[in-house]
Amino acid sequence: GAGVSQSPRYKVAKRGQDVALRCDPISGHVSLFWYQQALGQGPEFLTYFQNEAQLDKSGLPSDRFFAERPEGSVSTLKIQRTQQEDSAVYLCASSEISRAGGLDEQFFGPGTRLTVL
Amino acid sequence: QQQVKQSPQSLIVQKGGIPIINCAYENTAFDYFPWYQQFPGKGPALLIAIRPDVSEKKEGRFTISFNKSAKQFSLHIMDSQPGDSATYFCAASMLRRGATNKLIFGTGTLLAVQP
Repeated sequence: GAGVSQSPRYKVAKRGQDVALRCDPISGHVSLFWYQQALGQGPEFLTYFQNEAQLDKSGLPSDRFFAERPEGSVSTLKIQRTQQEDSAVYLCASSEISRAGGLDEQFFGPGTRLTVL
Repeated sequence: QQQVKQSPQSLIVQKGGIPIINCAYENTAFDYFPWYQQFPGKGPALLIAIRPDVSEKKEGRFTISFNKSAKQFSLHIMDSQPGDSATYFCAASMLRRGATNKLIFGTGTLLAVQP
């Protein structure tokens, strides 16, 4: 079946512009994660959804970052007034909901590479 | 604060060699330790994972060794091939009811397997 898809794959924005990044998770996956991957670094957690509920947004770096998943499937990560330090690859991952203690593989999309000039 | 430390940053081995990548963690509440493989332009893909109740896990040419008392774990790639050339990330997470299950990643190891 289809994996996690993300669009656009590449986005160039001028400093101060708003951007919206889209994630289509694997059909039926309840959990959805957003990560930020700076060049040469490991992914860092941004936020987590269970269906439409945003249960953890502790990784969002500032109030310029906003994520939503209104119908429990597609998710959008929005960055307002982009800054150069926002340049990174933004990864989306989805997983089935797991029972307590269960192993729940996170499947990653290819990412959106954001460059802020 | 970096919760998962990974080394080396880069590694070059000859075909057939056994690269070893090491990770150390700080939070004893972590109970799930996966390794991810990432090719350029792609998202990370799960390679193998271990829980702390076992000291070793093998899947094909990939082996995880886990030392709970030292809070360290490592990835060994047997009979490495040029196609294994990629960036490898260790990670840690907490699997429990109500938890986010977010992954805390190491900084990555760029592996090059020379033919």
